[in-house]
Amino acid sequence: GAVVSQHPSWVICKSGTSVKIECRSLDFQATTMFWYRQFPKQSLMLMATSNEGSKATYEQGVEKDKFLINHASLTLSTLTVTSAHPEDSSFYICSARGAGEGTEAFFGQGTRLTVV
Amino acid sequence: RKEVEQDPGPFNVPEGATVAFNCTYSNSASQSFFWYRQDCRKEPKLLMSVYSSGNEDGRFTAQLNRASQYISLLIRDSKLSDSATYLCVAFSSGSARQLTFGSGTQLTVLP
Repeated sequence: GAVVSQHPSWVICKSGTSVKIECRSLDFQATTMFWYRQFPKQSLMLMATSNEGSKATYEQGVEKDKFLINHASLTLSTLTVTSAHPEDSSFYICSARGAGEGTEAFFGQGTRLTVV
Repeated sequence: RKEVEQDPGPFNVPEGATVAFNCTYSNSASQSFFWYRQDCRKEPKLLMSVYSSGNEDGRFTAQLNRASQYISLLIRDSKLSDSATYLCVAFSSGSARQLTFGSGTQLTVLP
């Protein structure tokens, strides 16, 4: 199957700093990328959807100025958590999807962020 | 009402049992459907796509009923390794090109 690479797989940062997470589709063109957050024992929560070359669409309650998403190419999207706080500690997962109906999404390995 | 609804479970079944998960979706414009499985602290992985005519992959059978906006997953002869959370996913195109996940159904297969 298609491969989506996400890194870093885990990161610990100090409160107030920014963290950038990269999501790359390695063998297909990802026209759409999705960013999710998952707290322990909870389901995936969609944060935003980004289509290549356009601004991301954020879900209600997700601060676009705090979670900066860039999808500048068909193989790369980045999520930057700005001025991170301990409550931002979570498992962040990206997924990427090619064009066409029926095309499934593939997930990155996830990034476990801990803000201390 | 959530766009994609699943029974959260947990479903605890003995090894060898047959178990069925159901999922309903509210967006009639949804075009594609998938089942993913997620193991604890790991990313979701595609289990199978769901086709209108129904499809089978080994012990797994997926069905779609567009009239009732209903998707199902049947697991036969369940194995211990089937223990995971199963996520129902609907995709709708348009400007958002949105994937919508259900909250997942937790399955534990007991020895």
